[in-house]
Amino acid sequence: AQSVTQLGSHVSVSEGALVLLRCNYSSSVPPYLFWYVQYPNQGLQLLLKYTTGATLVKGINGFEAEFKKSETSFHLTKPSAHMSDAAEYFCAVSEGTSGTYKYIFGTGTRLKVLA
Amino acid sequence: DAGVTQSPTHLIKTRGQQVTLRCSPKSGHDTVSWYQQALGQGPQFIFQYYEEEERQRGNFPDRFSGHQFPNYSSELNVNALLLGDSALYLCASSFDRANTEAFFGQGTRLTVV
Repeated sequence: AQSVTQLGSHVSVSEGALVLLRCNYSSSVPPYLFWYVQYPNQGLQLLLKYTTGATLVKGINGFEAEFKKSETSFHLTKPSAHMSDAAEYFCAVSEGTSGTYKYIFGTGTRLKVLA
Repeated sequence: DAGVTQSPTHLIKTRGQQVTLRCSPKSGHDTVSWYQQALGQGPQFIFQYYEEEERQRGNFPDRFSGHQFPNYSSELNVNALLLGDSALYLCASSFDRANTEAFFGQGTRLTVV
């Protein structure tokens, strides 16, 4: 079974600083990878996804992530943090059998942005 | 496009009771998955419905059951509620079981007392 590990359950950055949220996955086949954001008392919103092709993926709100197969990583970055980026971020991998799939999520990283 | 809609948004139930949660998928989507998100945790896969059948199931007891209707909407039923069932229940929809992107609803917050 696949798994996702997010290093750091809480990350604090200053406004304007680089955001780096780490995600490592285990998969025996090329994975589909996702980053979702969750604001308080809300559902999940897709930030970006990697399926095939270019390994550097750009998403919404200035976020991007790079798929590195050799490191089994899919870290999320943003050059300059904004107060509105404060939220919980989840990395996920899709796992499928017989034409169906499910998402395996990490335990999440709560991002705090300091003024 | 209303996206994925779930009802109710909040629910309080007593141990031993039964609950039904509802989900309407995004327009054009025919596949519905349910996830349980306990406090401070990532979502955990419960099951997936496609063509009105349960196609895949996660590690959840039989107390958790579901249904998909011809209009693709879905229900999640939980019987004999336990305190540990308190969580945010998320519904996700996609088209034709595609795993390239799932759209999530806002969730139903279930509290069992």
